[in-house]
Amino acid sequence: QVQLQESGPGLVKPSETLFLTCNVSGYSITRGYNWAWIRQSPGKGLEWIGSIYHSGRTFDNPVLKSRLTMSVDTTKNQFSLKITSVTAADTAMYYCAREAIFGVAHFDSWGQGTLVTVSS
Amino acid sequence: NFLLTQPHSVSESPGKTVTISCTRSGGTIASNYVQWYQQRPGSSPTTVIFEDNQRPSGVPDRFSGSIDSPSNSASLTISRLQTEDEADYYCQSYDGNIRVFGGGTKLTVL
Repeated sequence: QVQLQESGPGLVKPSETLFLTCNVSGYSITRGYNWAWIRQSPGKGLEWIGSIYHSGRTFDNPVLKSRLTMSVDTTKNQFSLKITSVTAADTAMYYCAREAIFGVAHFDSWGQGTLVTVSS
Repeated sequence: NFLLTQPHSVSESPGKTVTISCTRSGGTIASNYVQWYQQRPGSSPTTVIFEDNQRPSGVPDRFSGSIDSPSNSASLTISRLQTEDEADYYCQSYDGNIRVFGGGTKLTVL
């Protein structure tokens, strides 16, 4: 059974870069799914950040696209997220998830989430 | 891009039936599958409906999903409500390379 686990700093200073990694176990990230990042600001709803295929092809939220970089490391079976020039608005719980493809876009497995606070 | 609009909150009594709507603006609801996720406080979202009306294994048949083309909306219906169904519910769909979540609906079972 697939398991996803986010990791990264819980506190990032304004204007700096947020970097998170999602470690995937129980399933190879090269096996036909997208791998996604989703965030949830405190007390708010879910916001899709972007998705990446193991080839490196990405699908980005247009709102975040200019600050967003996603990558995969197939040797470590993990994928990563980088958001530059963060502000308090980027404070959120960040989830990684597996996304079924081929015309479905269903996030069928989620990590437990990691809270990132942007503050000086 | 497109939007998915949900009611902010709904409430119903145990044993009753509740329906949560998800209206798409920009594009056609029937053109792309809709998923529904349940999120309890302090937990990650989990799927209760995928591909418009499919239930993952382990989700009780009290949960059902449907699409209504005339209103360009999707609906999640929960019958025989139980207190454990109290949670936030999110619809989600996509269009090309873009994925969108609805704003979420807080279900209170009182």
